[in-house]
Amino acid sequence: NAGVTQTPKFQVLKTGQSMTLQCAQDMNHEYMSWYRQDPGMGLRLIHYSVGAGITDQGEVPNGYNVSRSTTEDFPLRLLSAAPSQTSVYFCASRLPSGETQYFGPGTRLLVL
Amino acid sequence: KQEVTQILAALSVPEGENLVLNCSFTDSAIYNLQWFRQDPGKGLTSLLLIQSSQREQTSGRLNASLDKSSGRSTLYIAASQPGDSATYLCAVRPQRGTYKYIFGTGTRLKVLA
Repeated sequence: NAGVTQTPKFQVLKTGQSMTLQCAQDMNHEYMSWYRQDPGMGLRLIHYSVGAGITDQGEVPNGYNVSRSTTEDFPLRLLSAAPSQTSVYFCASRLPSGETQYFGPGTRLLVL
Repeated sequence: KQEVTQILAALSVPEGENLVLNCSFTDSAIYNLQWFRQDPGKGLTSLLLIQSSQREQTSGRLNASLDKSSGRSTLYIAASQPGDSATYLCAVRPQRGTYKYIFGTGTRLKVLA
């Protein structure tokens, strides 16, 4: 199993540009989520999904969109990038009955 | 509002030392608490999970304890090794029905050979 994979590893954007961060898992996990990690603030939940077609907002959802058309994929879209979205983004997945979250390696995003 | 704090931002110890990392939380009504390890440039790896009804969990040289009444958890690492160098984060799941986990900011550990 590849586990949770994320692409790209690193991205530079200009303010106002849009992009999609990709996340995929091959463990058949129904639950998937996106976090951002900023210095001194810990990980904060952006959006999460409890299954294909079902998504909900987390703690800091503004400026981000998600959709979940398959169990495997959970892309995160930045509609109009802002410097405040400079961060490291992590995708995670787990089974509904399980407590262990499996994290991807992260995407480092710099918005100029 | 639940807040999770790891006051110690960084710690350096010589190889072989036993050490304790601390995590505190403001609301004792938690569903569970997890300790994670994060290596530089990598994602998080779950180390230990303690359910609210448990007092401690052990895995190899790691032991995590939970004291809900005082809002504290500790991660004990025995006989530390250079390979233990990483950032250690704790996270609280407030309720069973919620997906949300609240993370501390982490303690960066360096074990010197």
